[in-house]
Amino acid sequence: DIVMTQSPDSLAVSLGERATINCKSSQSVFYSSNDKNYLAWYQQKPGQPPKLLIYWASTRESGVPDRFSGSGSGTDFTLTINSLQAEDVAVYYCQQYSSTLITFGQGTRLEIK
Amino acid sequence: QVQLVQSGAEVKKPGDSVKVSCKASGYTFSNYDINWVRQAPGQGLEWMGWMNPISGNSGYAQKFQGRISMTRNSSISTAYMELSSLTSEDTAIYYCAKAGQGATIFYWLDPWGQGTLVTVTS
Repeated sequence: DIVMTQSPDSLAVSLGERATINCKSSQSVFYSSNDKNYLAWYQQKPGQPPKLLIYWASTRESGVPDRFSGSGSGTDFTLTINSLQAEDVAVYYCQQYSSTLITFGQGTRLEIK
Repeated sequence: QVQLVQSGAEVKKPGDSVKVSCKASGYTFSNYDINWVRQAPGQGLEWMGWMNPISGNSGYAQKFQGRISMTRNSSISTAYMELSSLTSEDTAIYYCAKAGQGATIFYWLDPWGQGTLVTVTS
């Protein structure tokens, strides 16, 4: 199975500042055949199911604010949240779908400093 | 809008089985796989497996092989996940989720059902 490792496990960022969450896969999730990285990001608020933010590593889901962005390729990926808002407090997960066996990162808890 | 609505909370005893349903609406049920993911209290997301509504084929994470079954009733656009030989370690919220794209086995998950809490206690 592909192991997904996120860092840090938690972070606290001031309102209006930038938050950066990293995700590393144990093997590449890039397919040269279509030039795509099979990596998604989710946001989970307390008491709610996960919500899709980004897929193909950098494509923002419809309706997701543009302060959320994804980057990276191969085995190293980043979710960046610019100008942090109070409603962004949540746990964030990365997920690889390059294998029929889906795996998630362990999650990163984002709080307000 | 695309929506997945799951059945209500369950309380089971060790050794029991549980069957959770997931009713889909707002899209053509047969065109997208349904996956199941669980989340133990205070823990992260654990993928359990997938089910193709057209063929009925399914694939499961190694951890659950032999005690999990994913099925569907296409006439009512509903998927089911049954887990047997329950222990306290199976206490979790169980989510169904629709494949983000059809006609492929590689996809993100969107949207997710609201979750079903299964509590295993003696």
